[in-house]
Amino acid sequence: DQQVKQNSPSLSVQEGRISILNCDYTNSMFDYFLWYKKYPAEGPTFLISISSIKDKNEDGRFTVFLNKSAKHLSLHIVPSQPGDSAVYFCAAPGDNYGQNFVFGPGTRLSVLP
Amino acid sequence: DAMVIQNPRYQVTQFGKPVTLSCSQTLNHNVMYWYQQKSSQAPKLLFHYYDKDFNNEADTPDNFQSRRPNTSFCFLDIRSPGLGDAAMYLCATRARDTRNEKLFFGSGTQLSVL
Repeated sequence: DQQVKQNSPSLSVQEGRISILNCDYTNSMFDYFLWYKKYPAEGPTFLISISSIKDKNEDGRFTVFLNKSAKHLSLHIVPSQPGDSAVYFCAAPGDNYGQNFVFGPGTRLSVLP
Repeated sequence: DAMVIQNPRYQVTQFGKPVTLSCSQTLNHNVMYWYQQKSSQAPKLLFHYYDKDFNNEADTPDNFQSRRPNTSFCFLDIRSPGLGDAAMYLCATRARDTRNEKLFFGSGTQLSVL
């Protein structure tokens, strides 16, 4: 079974600095990973993804790094903005077909002005 | 805009009183999911539909049922809600034919059980 861990329940960062959110998974069933952002009382919104053919994917201020040998992902936000304050979830495939996704417990990011 | 719509946003029910949550999508996606999320926890997959094929997670209680009458709609039925079923219920969709494709979520239904 796939397990996804986000060991930091919360993170506080000063505006303009870098935010680094980490995620570990246990099973390399299918190397495609997702990051979602969630505001209170709303559904998760897609942020960025990465597949096993890459070790880095960048979209504006957001970059995701994948270390397949360590089964580790990290999301970098540079520069961090107060509007980035939200809960960030990492998701990894829960089956061999990439149809189901298992989510981590999330990291609550607070960006301080 | 194409999207995933969940109704209602907030639902209050009584202990043991059946409740139905609904989800509709205009994305024409083959796969639809129901996740349960409790406060400060990971969204937990309850079941998903692969077209009309229903796939139940092994640890989803029998109290939870689902219906998908057509591609656009999916329902979550909780037959006898308990206090522990109070949670945010998230519907999501995904295109089947593309392996590297993200899930699209609705806004969720926050269920309270009194």
